[in-house]
Amino acid sequence: GAVVSQHPSWVICKSGTSVKIECRSLDFQATTMFWYRQFPKQSLMLMATSNEGSKATYEQGVEKDKFLINHASLTLSTLTVTSAHPEDSSFYICSATLAGGRNEQFFGPGTRLTVL
Amino acid sequence: RKEVEQDPGPFNVPEGATVAFNCTYSNSASQSFFWYRQDCRKEPKLLMSVYSSGNEDGRFTAQLNRASQYISLLIRDSKLSDSATYLCVVPRIYFGSGTKLNVKP
Repeated sequence: GAVVSQHPSWVICKSGTSVKIECRSLDFQATTMFWYRQFPKQSLMLMATSNEGSKATYEQGVEKDKFLINHASLTLSTLTVTSAHPEDSSFYICSATLAGGRNEQFFGPGTRLTVL
Repeated sequence: RKEVEQDPGPFNVPEGATVAFNCTYSNSASQSFFWYRQDCRKEPKLLMSVYSSGNEDGRFTAQLNRASQYISLLIRDSKLSDSATYLCVVPRIYFGSGTKLNVKP
C-alpha cells in the first residue's frame, strides 16, 4: 500500500511559537493531501484540503492565517501552526490520495503537538 | 444533517460475536466509501473499500445501500484484536464555480 510519512511524530513547544509539520507521500504522487485534527476520544476533523500548486481549501471555522498550508510538490505538504496556544494541542494527521486513484486516503502516522 | 453519521458506541461484545456498524451519508452523488480502523493513538488504517454493492474480506463484510444512503460493516467471530475504533469515510465531492458557455447562432 501507499506510504505516507509525517515529521515530527511529536513536538512540545512554548506558547507563541510556530510549529511546522511535514507530510510526505513516499512511494507515490499525491495531487491532494488532507490535514486533520483529532482531539482525545473524538473523530478526525478535517481542517483543510491541500492541492499541489494551488491554495488550500479550509473548512469552516479553521483560520487559514493560523494554520498555514503549503503543498509545494506532489510528494510534500506542510502545515504550520502559527503562534501556537495550549488549545492547539492535538493530534494532527495528514492523508493523501493517489493521483488517478479511487479516493482511498492513506494516512500518515500523525503528529502529537503539545503546547505549554 | 451531518455529511456522515455514525453511532459512536461503544459496542461491547463477547469474543465470537457478530457485530454490525452502520454509517449514513447525505451526499447521494458519492461513489466511493471506505471503512478504516483506528487503534488508540495511532493513525487510521484502511480496512475495506466499497464501490458497488459490497465487499467481503474474511470475517469482514461491507455493504452499501444507495437507496437508503448507508454503508455497513459486519464483523463475524469477533476477536480481541478487533477492538478498535472503526471509521467510515465518504470522500467529499468538491464543485468548481462553473464555467458559463454561450453558444451563439
